[in-house]
Amino acid sequence: AQTVTQSQPEMSVQEAETVTLSCTYDTSESDYYLFWYKQPPSRQMILVIRQEAYKQQNATENRFSVNFQKAAKSFSLKISDSQLGDAAMYFCAYRTDMDSNYQLIWGAGTKLIIKP
Amino acid sequence: DAGVTQSPTHLIKTRGQQVTLRCSPKSGHDTVSWYQQALGQGPQFIFQYYEEEERQRGNFPDRFSGHQFPNYSSELNVNALLLGDSALYLCASSLVFGGGYTFGSGTRLTVV
Repeated sequence: AQTVTQSQPEMSVQEAETVTLSCTYDTSESDYYLFWYKQPPSRQMILVIRQEAYKQQNATENRFSVNFQKAAKSFSLKISDSQLGDAAMYFCAYRTDMDSNYQLIWGAGTKLIIKP
Repeated sequence: DAGVTQSPTHLIKTRGQQVTLRCSPKSGHDTVSWYQQALGQGPQFIFQYYEEEERQRGNFPDRFSGHQFPNYSSELNVNALLLGDSALYLCASSLVFGGGYTFGSGTRLTVV
């Protein structure tokens, strides 16, 4: 069974600094998708960034980038120039559409605190 | 363009009661998934609906059931509520042939 592990329950960073959130996963599939979602106090899950496993190039979205290491099954999120609005829970998630399996499998989350 | 709308926002129920949660998907989306998020944890997949049928189910008992209507909206029903059912219930809509998920703000269910 696929699993997603986030080993950092909480991280803090000074405003304008860079922070990296860690995520590892376990799967026997070769074709899958990885996601980072942000959940602010409003509770709505907001997609931060998405990576297709077949793409070697790491995904980037403005200040957000990932370090995808397929062999190591690692998918970390780097946030550059941290802003107060980045404070939230961050969840790493995995999905494969193989064998009619459409669910997102989630890590336990990392609480990101931004210090002004 | 409305995103995913969930109702109610909060509700409190007594053990043994039944509850119905509702979800209206993002305009143009045809697939609805439900997730349960206990406090301090990541979401757990309950089930997904497409074309008014349950397409996949997670590891949840039969007390959890759902429905999808012709307009793609969906309901989640939970019977014989237990204290452990207290959680945030998230609805996510998507297109069956891929693309991203759009989440609602969830329904906070408290069972007392």
